[in-house]
Amino acid sequence: DGGITQSPKYLFRKEGQNVTLSCEQNLNHDAMYWYRQDPGQGLRLIYYSQIVNDFQKGDIAEGYSVSREKKESFPLTVTSAQKNPTAFYLCASRTTRGQNNQPQHFGDGTRLSIL
Amino acid sequence: GEDVEQSLFLSVREGDSSVINCTYTDSSSTYLYWYKQEPGAGLQLLTYIFSNMDMKQDQRLTVLLNKKDKHLSLRIADTQTGDSAIYFCAESTYQGGKLIFGQGTELSVKP
Repeated sequence: DGGITQSPKYLFRKEGQNVTLSCEQNLNHDAMYWYRQDPGQGLRLIYYSQIVNDFQKGDIAEGYSVSREKKESFPLTVTSAQKNPTAFYLCASRTTRGQNNQPQHFGDGTRLSIL
Repeated sequence: GEDVEQSLFLSVREGDSSVINCTYTDSSSTYLYWYKQEPGAGLQLLTYIFSNMDMKQDQRLTVLLNKKDKHLSLRIADTQTGDSAIYFCAESTYQGGKLIFGQGTELSVKP
């Protein structure tokens, strides 16, 4: 089945620790996105990538890092510099072919908590 | 700047119609989207409308767009308990397909 897989579903971080959230897609999509969702709020964009080996900061990039070495994969690292990392993290992807603004499709999310 | 606003809660009875409203500020938006989120899950794309359209219907869903007032609505006909979820509207931007999301409307359907 084609889709977007995020792992793990639940993740716990200790103080001072970096953790990496995985996002893999087999939809052959060029663009990938990471969002953060806090209770009662909409999604806020952390980073996005439109092509392999290139990515841009979103609205709340501080304390996060990404890489895009393969088309299928866009891992997000939550660094120790992110002081309030507890949130639900969502990965999305979309094709950039065809008409403009093809919709984004989402994974099932990773819930990150502080120990 | 860009901003999308939604009311936070809506409660309806099973079988009634639900109308979820959204306002946006970016007049250059090309597409507007509706997503559904069930508890603990990701976002499911419900429907989207191009900004030169006034209305789009897809089974029980009707989207109305008033571009002059920058107002978007999602009507769900014959609402069922399985429709209980959070509904997000989002507008597209020209920057790499970025989406700007509203805060989400929590729809509660009572039997």
